Amino acid sequence: TQTVSQSDAHVTVFEGDSVELRCNYSYGGSIYLSWYIQHHGHGLQFLLKYYSGNPVVQGVNGFEAEFSKSDSSFHLRKASVHWSDSAVYFCAVSSGGSNAKLTFGKGTKLSVKS
Amino acid sequence: EAAVTQSPRNKVTVTGGNVTLSCRQTNSHNYMYWYRQDTGHGLRLIHYSYGAGNLQIGDVPDGYKATRTTQEDFFLLLELASPSQTSLYFCASSWTGSGNTLYFGEGSRLIVV
Repeated sequence: TQTVSQSDAHVTVFEGDSVELRCNYSYGGSIYLSWYIQHHGHGLQFLLKYYSGNPVVQGVNGFEAEFSKSDSSFHLRKASVHWSDSAVYFCAVSSGGSNAKLTFGKGTKLSVKS
Repeated sequence: EAAVTQSPRNKVTVTGGNVTLSCRQTNSHNYMYWYRQDTGHGLRLIHYSYGAGNLQIGDVPDGYKATRTTQEDFFLLLELASPSQTSLYFCASSWTGSGNTLYFGEGSRLIVV
């Protein structure tokens, strides 16, 4: 069984600050990890994903995430946030099977103050 | 870009009522999903399908039926709605199952009174 945990329900930063949103997973086999963003009143949108290779993956709008097998983590980072980055961010995991389903974390709400 | 359209966007029904949520995707994706989103729970998978006529059970299927009539259309059925099914429902589609990138609709908010 795959599980994903996002330890912070809410993170507040100021515009221009850097931010890291934390994601930890548990699964014993091959795994796909991804991040999605949800702006208020809308559906989720894909940001980035990792399966293999370079553990640092780049996404849209300056976001990147780093995979760590030893820490079972896939944290999302951005060097300088903008007020428009205020949203809820979801980490998700799926196994490598052909009929795999995506399991989401509970989400982290990012509030960017100007 | 994939387009996923849900209807209705808002629905209020009474306990015991019959509700159908509709989802249509126009990018010929094979997989379609129904999730519910609740505060404190994130997104939870109800049912999903990898093609017309196929149905797979998700993590929280109790009280829900689903039917995939065509590659484009996936319906979620609540035949005896209960207040615990008050939620925000999202439909999504993807090309593949494994390593899938999901494309989401805008959501359907259901209130059961």
